[in-house]
Amino acid sequence: EPEVTQTPSHQVTQMGQEVILRCVPISNHLYFYWYRQILGQKVEFLVSFYNNEISEKSEIFDDQFSVERPDGSNFTLKIRSTKLEDSAMYFCASTSTGRKKAYGYTFGSGTRLTVV
Amino acid sequence: GESVGLHLPTLSVQEGDNSIINCAYSNSASDYFIWYKQESGKGPQFIIDIRSNMDKRQGQRVTVLLNKTVKHLSLQIAATQPGDSAVYFCAENFGSGNTGKLIFGQGTTLQVKP
Repeated sequence: EPEVTQTPSHQVTQMGQEVILRCVPISNHLYFYWYRQILGQKVEFLVSFYNNEISEKSEIFDDQFSVERPDGSNFTLKIRSTKLEDSAMYFCASTSTGRKKAYGYTFGSGTRLTVV
Repeated sequence: GESVGLHLPTLSVQEGDNSIINCAYSNSASDYFIWYKQESGKGPQFIIDIRSNMDKRQGQRVTVLLNKTVKHLSLQIAATQPGDSAVYFCAENFGSGNTGKLIFGQGTTLQVKP
């Protein structure tokens, strides 16, 4: 069964440093997403991406965040200057085309980001 | 504002019993709902979904009920097993032309006692 792959599984970084979280979505999917989950809390939407541009972003996704699809397979989330409150589990997801874009969501296993 | 909430943070059931996990949503424009299971250290795993033109959908050992009148969603798990122990989230999506964004509820922890 196709999977969304995320690397690394765990990243520790110092406050103020830049981090890049990487994702390989399912190959024939065209819609890509990042979500985050602070420990013990619900999963929160960060950003959706289609046709090489952001289609929607949440209030969380401020100027410190950016996303990129540098090639045909990778989808990255960059946090420019990490803060302690960025510590969370970050999930990548993708969906295929279709009448409704939310159908067929597949989530990766996540990257646990710890900012110290 | 937009919100999807769950009534109980933790549900403890005996192995073999049926479990019912509830969810309330606030956006009457939501037209697609999904239940996810999340095990420790893993991503959300799809369980079952339902569109707003239905009020019930059954899967293997799971049933989702949708009551649009009171904006309530429930997940029923039959003959609950130890492997069902996890956190369960409901999520909603709305609008046919939207970006596919999901709004998640707070989560209910299901504990299955042997």
